[in-house]
Amino acid sequence: KAGVTQTPRYLIKTRGQQVTLSCSPISGHRSVSWYQQTPGQGLQFLFEYFSETQRNKGNFPGRFSGRQFSNSRSEMNVSTLELGDSALYLCASSLALAGGGDTQYFGPGTRLTVL
Amino acid sequence: DQQVKQNSPSLSVQEGRISILNCDYTNSMFDYFLWYKKYPAEGPTFLISISSIKDKNEDGRFTVFLNKSAKHLSLHIVPSQPGDSAVYFCAASTYNNNDMRFGAGTRLTVKP
Repeated sequence: KAGVTQTPRYLIKTRGQQVTLSCSPISGHRSVSWYQQTPGQGLQFLFEYFSETQRNKGNFPGRFSGRQFSNSRSEMNVSTLELGDSALYLCASSLALAGGGDTQYFGPGTRLTVL
Repeated sequence: DQQVKQNSPSLSVQEGRISILNCDYTNSMFDYFLWYKKYPAEGPTFLISISSIKDKNEDGRFTVFLNKSAKHLSLHIVPSQPGDSAVYFCAASTYNNNDMRFGAGTRLTVKP
């Protein structure tokens, strides 16, 4: 069974631009969560989607948004990029809602660099 | 608001010895805890979990201990192997809340 895939793997943008990241979950998984990883901050929860609905959202500004499609694939969008948005963005999929104790499987991440 | 804390950014142990990674949490509503391991250029992989109804869970060389009164959990790796060298994240959640919180990670180095 193929794992979680994320595209692109690397991205370089400039301040003020917007970016869209894509995540394809493991087949059959209906939950997709997004995380931001920065040095010293660990993994910070962005949001979780289940059955095309955002179920929970972390403490990030409205510039960060996402959506999930009927095939469970998910996209994350960041508008008006700031230097501090440079990070590794990870998505994780699970059969059911992740916070309910279901194991998450992570993708390799998208490394975003904002210049 | 860092509800899950891993206060040791790094740990170095000798091959064959025990590695103990620690994690503290502040939210008493957390009732499910997990450890993930992360190698460079890869996403985290699930290692072991424990629910609040237990105080110990063992899987091979890995054992997680939970002390609810102290809001503390630890991961023991015995014996440690060089291949265990990675960043370890602890995570916590509640069954009624979809929000999973992660610590900042501890980089474990196992020296041959």
